[in-house]
Amino acid sequence: DGGITQSPKYLFRKEGQNVTLSCEQNLNHDAMYWYRQDPGQGLRLIYYSQIVNDFQKGDIAEGYSVSREKKESFPLTVTSAQKNPTAFYLCASSIGVGGASEQFFGPGTRLTVL
Amino acid sequence: AQSVAQPEDQVNVAEGNPLTVKCTYSVSGNPYLFWYVQYPNRGLQFLLKYITGDNLVKGSYGFEAEFNKSQTSFHLKKPSALVSDSALYFCAVRDSSGGYQKVTFGTGTKLQVIP
Repeated sequence: DGGITQSPKYLFRKEGQNVTLSCEQNLNHDAMYWYRQDPGQGLRLIYYSQIVNDFQKGDIAEGYSVSREKKESFPLTVTSAQKNPTAFYLCASSIGVGGASEQFFGPGTRLTVL
Repeated sequence: AQSVAQPEDQVNVAEGNPLTVKCTYSVSGNPYLFWYVQYPNRGLQFLLKYITGDNLVKGSYGFEAEFNKSQTSFHLKKPSALVSDSALYFCAVRDSSGGYQKVTFGTGTKLQVIP
């Protein structure tokens, strides 16, 4: 899983709770991403960031928020507004946004709503 | 809009036999194409990519992929399958034309290598 760490590995959320998923990279990559993976649906982009203090919505940003205060860190908050948050969440990074750069993925966080 | 199709949800192959995992794509410009592998409860690992040039791309763990522009395909291949190749494989595409283009992933193909 390269130089990207995600924590926790498993996370349980009660209804109405906000939870934050951690993502840290030591690859010195400028770009970072958050994806949601559901069975049979591939990966869907939640947010991405090209540079510190800048981020953009992906395809399914509703109910999620992010910050990028440091190059190494890109935490994702799943808010109570996200109606169906149970999923596997993957963080990734790449040298740059766009172009032919491949993405490096973390080990993932599995979020379950109780 | 760009898209990727992996027509097979699952591919079964006997150990030692050649394997093929299929991928077709659609982009308006020229494609950058990627293959990733995912083992259970893990993140994705990059296998190989096509940028330009030689249509046969070699990657990690003995995998290769053939880019076919006329058929808009990028099938993943390996001459001799191992049981340890059993995993979920994702094809992905990015349009190389103008500005930022996100990566679009296919829905994945589960490869089962039978001993």
